[in-house]
Amino acid sequence: GQQVMQIPQYQHVQEGEDFTTYCNSSTTLSNIQWYKQRPGGHPVFLIQLVKSGEVKKQKRLTFQFGEAKKNSSLHITATQTTDVGTYFCAGRGGATNKLIFGTGTLLAVQP
Amino acid sequence: DAGITQSPRHKVTETGTPVTLRCHQTENHRYMYWYRQDPGHGLRLIHYSYGVKDTDKGEVSDGYSVSRSKTEDFLLTLESATSSQTSVYFCAISIGEAGGYTNEQFFGPGTRLTVL
Repeated sequence: GQQVMQIPQYQHVQEGEDFTTYCNSSTTLSNIQWYKQRPGGHPVFLIQLVKSGEVKKQKRLTFQFGEAKKNSSLHITATQTTDVGTYFCAGRGGATNKLIFGTGTLLAVQP
Repeated sequence: DAGITQSPRHKVTETGTPVTLRCHQTENHRYMYWYRQDPGHGLRLIHYSYGVKDTDKGEVSDGYSVSRSKTEDFLLTLESATSSQTSVYFCAISIGEAGGYTNEQFFGPGTRLTVL
């Protein structure tokens, strides 16, 4: 079945450093979403990408959708302690055509 | 938080007992979902509903059943709880799927279930 993998599983950075997480799907996606989950909290929607090659920015966060619509990335510039949490991608595609969540990347930011 | 509540928020139960988790929404959204979250697996879909009495299985549905008799409530039942069902369970809603694309999902606060 469809699989959505994220790398890395865990990243520890110093405050001010950049951070990137990558999302890769085994099948072509119709769209991809990104969510953030703070420790002890619930996932919160960040953004959705639909078009091939699409790039969207939210302040220090940059989201990209690959040309083949099988991969995506989230880049955070100059991390802050408020960025701590797990970032999930979620893509729709494959035989089930349902939203499949990636395994997540846990970001730790040291002040 | 899109008016989503889950109950109970924490539960400890014993192997073999039935358990029902409740998800309640106040905004009459059509689509509701149950996920489980486990380390290393992210969020995995258990069951979902696209309307009253309309439900379907997700990727990890074995051992779980659901019911939706009212728009606002989506119940998840573990028919005979096992230790492998120890997890954090999240309910989510969405306004649906438009134009072939999935709308964003809004999650409840979660239920932490421990099966001894």
